[in-house]
Amino acid sequence: DAGVTQSPTHLIKTRGQQVTLRCSPKSGHDTVSWYQQALGQGPQFIFQYYEEEERQRGNFPDRFSGHQFPNYSSELNVNALLLGDSALYLCASSLGYRGANEKLFFGSGTQLSVL
Amino acid sequence: AQSVAQPEDQVNVAEGNPLTVKCTYSVSGNPYLFWYVQYPNRGLQFLLKYITGDNLVKGSYGFEAEFNKSQTSFHLKKPSALVSDSALYFCAVRTDTGRRALTFGSGTRLQVQP
Repeated sequence: DAGVTQSPTHLIKTRGQQVTLRCSPKSGHDTVSWYQQALGQGPQFIFQYYEEEERQRGNFPDRFSGHQFPNYSSELNVNALLLGDSALYLCASSLGYRGANEKLFFGSGTQLSVL
Repeated sequence: AQSVAQPEDQVNVAEGNPLTVKCTYSVSGNPYLFWYVQYPNRGLQFLLKYITGDNLVKGSYGFEAEFNKSQTSFHLKKPSALVSDSALYFCAVRTDTGRRALTFGSGTRLQVQP
């Protein structure tokens, strides 16, 4: 049973560019959340997708956008990259977004470096 | 608003000794509390959760955590530490109202010496 898979594992971009990160959830999961983990910090919630719609959003600018496909996989897009966007981007999947006690399964992340 | 504080950046303990990693939280409403562990170059792995019921929660790899409502704490414990427990530990909180996303603490690095 495949867990959460993310691609690519590493990415180097320059300021002003755009980037797309991809995530396939754990088999049977229908909800995908994205987190940003800056060096030395805990993960920060970006947004969550369920039934192909953004259901919740954290305190991130509109440069951060996403999409969920019918097969539950998801993409995170970041436009006009800034140096401060350099971080580990984590995808987490779960079953059902209204459940209060759902356990999140995390991928290994995409390490984004902005030069 | 909800928040989590992990007051120790690093905890050092000798193998075989008990360990405690501290966590305090602030939420409006009932807290749902979680502990996750992160090994190098890996994503976060779920250890345990408190939703309701018994204040002592048992989780993976022999870890347990105690929910203390009056002190708004959820400390992670293990009776006997292993070198393989060395990793980065994150406490997280959410509620059943409002925003349901997890809020994580800044993490505590656990170093277990042989």
